[in-house]
Amino acid sequence: DADVTQTPRNRITKTGKRIMLECSQTKGHDRMYWYRQDPGLGLRLIYYSFDVKDINKGEISDGYSVSRQAQAKFSLSLESAIPNQTALYFCATRPDREETQYFGPGTRLLVL
Amino acid sequence: GESVGLHLPTLSVQEGDNSIINCAYSNSASDYFIWYKQESGKGPQFIIDIRSNMDKRQGQRVTVLLNKTVKHLSLQIAATQPGDSAVYFCAENGAGGGNKLTFGTGTQLKVEL
Repeated sequence: DADVTQTPRNRITKTGKRIMLECSQTKGHDRMYWYRQDPGLGLRLIYYSFDVKDINKGEISDGYSVSRQAQAKFSLSLESAIPNQTALYFCATRPDREETQYFGPGTRLLVL
Repeated sequence: GESVGLHLPTLSVQEGDNSIINCAYSNSASDYFIWYKQESGKGPQFIIDIRSNMDKRQGQRVTVLLNKTVKHLSLQIAATQPGDSAVYFCAENGAGGGNKLTFGTGTQLKVEL
């Protein structure tokens, strides 16, 4: 099932570098989300978007920015990566009339 | 703040047995709950959901039970199979409707042959 795709799947970068994680979806959902997952913690919301002109901060947005280039694309950027941003990052989508979120396969990021 | 928690971090069951995974929630305003399955190296996969106007909902080999009195949610997997081995976590929609979900930390289910 490739309804929600994320690129890259794995990334190693150095402290201070700028990187972008990309998410694309073919589900036609307006709502998109970015989460990070750390061992022993639940998924934590970074940013979410209800449509191309709507961007909202989640609980841990510091150090991150996003861009909603189109309904189908939602990118997450780390302007200056730091080691504690090492984590699994997931993109999710959600149709307007439902509450279920559908997740991509994730990006594993290592910041050295 | 509000949180969603799980009672057991790891659950081991024999193949063929039934599994029960529990979740406690503390936000009494939540009216929607979801169970996800996450296999190693993959994203969370939707299993089943339930609204607060229901006590029980059944899917294929899975049943979700909701006890609003004690704020408890459980996932029952019948005839557990090796392919059921994964991390399972619950999520709730919290206060203010379904714009955001709050996720639990997860329970690792291990199926022994």
